[in-house]
Amino acid sequence: AQKVTQAQTEISVVEKEDVTLDCVYETRDTTYYLFWYKQPPSGELVFLIRRNSFDEQNEISGRYSWNFQKSTSSFNFTITASQVVDSAVYFCALSELNFGNEKLTFGTGTRLTIIP
Amino acid sequence: DGGITQSPKYLFRKEGQNVTLSCEQNLNHDAMYWYRQDPGQGLRLIYYSQIVNDFQKGDIAEGYSVSREKKESFPLTVTSAQKNPTAFYLCASTHWRGGRANTEAFFGQGTRLTVV
Repeated sequence: AQKVTQAQTEISVVEKEDVTLDCVYETRDTTYYLFWYKQPPSGELVFLIRRNSFDEQNEISGRYSWNFQKSTSSFNFTITASQVVDSAVYFCALSELNFGNEKLTFGTGTRLTIIP
Repeated sequence: DGGITQSPKYLFRKEGQNVTLSCEQNLNHDAMYWYRQDPGQGLRLIYYSQIVNDFQKGDIAEGYSVSREKKESFPLTVTSAQKNPTAFYLCASTHWRGGRANTEAFFGQGTRLTVV
């Protein structure tokens, strides 16, 4: 069975600091997708990134970067020069590519608070 | 604009009553999902549907029912059998191509259900 662990329940950093959110996953499949979502106070989940299990290249998008390491089953998310607008709950998710059983399994989320 | 609309945003229900949460999407997505979010537990899958007139139970389907009579609509009924229905409910949808989903899931803004 697939499982996603986000060990950090809450993190607080001062504005402009860098912060890394950890995500560790478990799956029996060799083919899967990993995702990060942001949930602002409004409640809607906002898609940030999707990564195929065959693509271990790290990705950078502005102040956001992701580090995917299959050897440690981790998909960590770093925000550089954090801003108050980054305050939200962040979810890591996993989806296995089994026909007929395609669903997202979410971690429990990390609440990030950026202190001005 | 395309998106997912959940209604109502807030819902109050007396114990013993059934209540139906609405989810409509105009993204032409094939697959739709219902998740429940409780504090500290992340998102858990209730039901999902890959095509019209077909749906599957997720991890916590007991006490819930769904229907998928139209591609755009996937209503969720919280029945009186659900012992602890107070939660935040999120609806999502994805594309489904060649038997595969796993493009990004789009989420609605959620319905907060409170049993009084």
